[in-house]
Amino acid sequence: QKEVEQNSGPLSVPEGAIASLNCTYSDRGSQSFFWYRQYSGKSPELIMSIYSNGDKEDGRFTAQLNKASQYVSLLIRDSQPSDSATYLCAADVPMGNQFYFGTGTSLTVIP
Amino acid sequence: GAGVSQSPSNKVTEKGKDVELRCDPISGHTALYWYRQSLGQGLEFLIYFQGNSAPDKSGLPSDRFSAERTGGSVSTLTIQRTQQEDSAVYLCASSLDRRTVSGGYTFGSGTRLTVV
Repeated sequence: QKEVEQNSGPLSVPEGAIASLNCTYSDRGSQSFFWYRQYSGKSPELIMSIYSNGDKEDGRFTAQLNKASQYVSLLIRDSQPSDSATYLCAADVPMGNQFYFGTGTSLTVIP
Repeated sequence: GAGVSQSPSNKVTEKGKDVELRCDPISGHTALYWYRQSLGQGLEFLIYFQGNSAPDKSGLPSDRFSAERTGGSVSTLTIQRTQQEDSAVYLCASSLDRRTVSGGYTFGSGTRLTVV
């Protein structure tokens, strides 16, 4: 079992719709969670971080964390074609120095 | 600098040759990480440097891989006797320090290594 699991997709949504990306993690000791966006051929870019149960909103993005169920999600409202990318979920390694990364979910927003 | 700088951006090498990849972190960032990303795979942690402390080498896949960080700034990742399975994008990232890793970190643009 991988420490962080994501559905690889591809996920396709029409422009203006809500895109929902999900991630589960296995290490209950993880405390910090992140979503990175990676455009094709580019490096990952941090878009959201979340540390507490519940929702955290930043513009069109909402991150959700449920530690009891060990899942993290990212909602993108009013999806735009420019949101088309691979989204990586990451969780900190307890007592470690790095993050666990998922393999990413590919999102395509159709104009 | 303004961002994490990596060089070269692309490297093609013959199997068995040694390669050096360079990372220049954001000025003032004491924590530096190397990851690699293979096609269809998640990011794989390789090594972590924090200031002048001994590096965390727990992610290095074999003794052909080594890294150093000079003066707490620039880092070099060296792969000796390269193999085809070493082909990947090697990403460097930095953050202010380990305690602020909770804020995530900034990646460089990566070095795409192809071993032929």
